[in-house]
Amino acid sequence: QSALTQPPSASGSPGQSVTISCTGTSSDVGGYNFVSWYQQHPGKAPKLVIFDVTKRPSGVPDRFSGSKSGNTASLTVSGLQADDEADYYCTSYAGSNNFVFGTGTKVTVL
Amino acid sequence: QVQLVQSGAEVKKPGASVKVSCKASGYSFTGYYIHWVRQAPGQGLEWMGWINPNSGGTTYTQKFQGRVTMTRDTSISTAYMELSRLTSDDTAVYSCARGGTTGYYVDYWGQGSLVSVSS
Repeated sequence: QSALTQPPSASGSPGQSVTISCTGTSSDVGGYNFVSWYQQHPGKAPKLVIFDVTKRPSGVPDRFSGSKSGNTASLTVSGLQADDEADYYCTSYAGSNNFVFGTGTKVTVL
Repeated sequence: QVQLVQSGAEVKKPGASVKVSCKASGYSFTGYYIHWVRQAPGQGLEWMGWINPNSGGTTYTQKFQGRVTMTRDTSISTAYMELSRLTSDDTAVYSCARGGTTGYYVDYWGQGSLVSVSS
């Protein structure tokens, strides 16, 4: 199972938007609507920000949104804030009770 | 509130095994899958497998099959992950995480357990 492909880095100024892509195959991202996204600050445990492609857990601001087209899922963070600076990982169900993580993207708020 | 509390850091020699525990509280332990994820220093997240605490059924990612064993003790709401034949490449933070309601994501994480493998 190969890791999903994410850009190593993304950046934006406060108030702007940043979109992170997560590219897989028809066996994972493209085959199921079970993509989730996690935010990880240095030295901290990951935090769920999007699940089932587009759903936000309680407590996550609506500045975070998810989408999917074909084999690529995306996370958009709008109205960037300093605290959004973190690593972001996607993950997808890959069939046969397996999951696969993305390679991770470091988001910098300029 | 939901909590997953893991065992402490371990230092192991190459070839040894390590067993990490994950004690759950604040919810019905048998009602949610437990996933195990690891993160090597400066690297990304890697999914290792999951266990159904109700049935004990497991799925391991192919990379770790034959080397990882996930178990649970429902009487003390604790899940375990044992990794054998350790090498330096296994140096990482190992985390347990609770599967979400639909099962296809994780919503709560343990604090992580650092396992260092060095001769």
